[in-house]
This record gives sequence, structure tokens and C-alpha cells, in this order.
Amino acid sequence: SQQGEEDPQALSIQEGENATMNCSYKTSINNLQWYRQNSGRGLVHLILIRSNEREKHSGRLRVTLDTSKKSSSLLITASRAADTASYFCATGYTSNTGKLIFGQGTTLQVKP
Amino acid sequence: GAVVSQHPSRVICKSGTSVKIECRSLDFQATTMFWYRQFPKQSLMLMATSNEGSKATYEQGVEKDKFLINHASLTLSTLTVTSAHPEDSSFYICSAGGWGSGNTIYFGEGSWLTVV
Repeated sequence: SQQGEEDPQALSIQEGENATMNCSYKTSINNLQWYRQNSGRGLVHLILIRSNEREKHSGRLRVTLDTSKKSSSLLITASRAADTASYFCATGYTSNTGKLIFGQGTTLQVKP
Repeated sequence: GAVVSQHPSRVICKSGTSVKIECRSLDFQATTMFWYRQFPKQSLMLMATSNEGSKATYEQGVEKDKFLINHASLTLSTLTVTSAHPEDSSFYICSAGGWGSGNTIYFGEGSWLTVV
């Protein structure tokens, strides 16, 4: 299976702390994306990083990509209670950025 | 921004019947849409790629005769679950990206299907 793995599976932190989630995958990719999902809802696109990029920022989010280790990390700084959700990494193996293989996800709880 | 709409958001159907789920791109043209399913507390699994004007491409292990996909226009793809069984109960989510949306992929809000 090409499906990647994420760790931790669950993460509980206090508001204001940083949250780091990691994602590993198995074969070469074209791009890697991070998504957020609130319980029972659709997905919200957070960041797309291409295989030739190493780091991207968007607001309080920072994503890194290490293609030699086939891994990526998502850092959420200064977390808020509203950041409570499941976070998924998804790998794209073609230039079609919509065809994705999702990791198992990390459930983040931010306590107020 | 670009929005993808799914309908219905929740549906209950009897075992053996068929149910159709619609996925619409509201303010951009989507040459390609994707259908995923998600069981409770699990990740998303890609079912198929819906191509406007041509046949869908199904992932390995997905029954094309059971999950019928039609992408008749640049703004609408439909997924029909035929002869539904309780094990088909799941969260079905579509995504779309194409002209006007840049590289960003937008997901619908999902459709909860319960087969009783």
C-alpha cells in the first residue's frame, strides 16, 4: 500500500503551545498536502508543498518536506482551541494535485 | 473563493435500493473530480477519478458497477451507489480542482450514507 503513516495518532496540548505532526510516505511523490477535518465535516486544504520544495509557511502553519527521508511535518504555532480537529497529510504521485493518498491522520485537541 | 457543494449531506436508504450523491463546483469549472469514502475514525480512501466527458477511472478494489460515476458537465459529477448494502454505509466526499481554482483542491462537505 502506498498509504503513508502519521504520528502521533493523537495529540493533546494546551492553548498557546506548538503542535507538531509528522507524516511519512513510501514512494517518490510529486507533491504533499496537508488538510484539516473537523468531526464529520469535509476537508479544508491547508498547504501544498511540491517535491522540489523544502519548507512552506502559511500564517501559523509551517510545513517541511524531506524527500530523502520521505517525511513531512506540520507545525502549528501558538495553537488555539479552534485548531482542534483531525489533520491529514496526503501525497500526490502525479502532477494532478487532486489525486491523493491520505495518511491515517492525527487528532489534535487543544485545551483552552 | 472556490466552493464545492455536495448533496445530500445525509441520506438513509433501504438495503437493495440505489442512492445518488451530487458534487458541484460552484464557481469554477472542474475537468476532474475525485470521490473518496471515509469510514468512522478512519482516513479517506480514493475511490475513483471522475473525468468530464469520459469514463471514470476506478482505484483497485472499487467495483465500478456498484459505484457509478457520471461527470456530464464541467460543474457536476454524480456518484450512484447501486444495490446498497449496510456495509456501504460511510461518509462519501468529493473534491474538485480545475480551471479557475489554481492548484488548490477543494473538498465538498461530504455525504453521510446510512443503509438500513
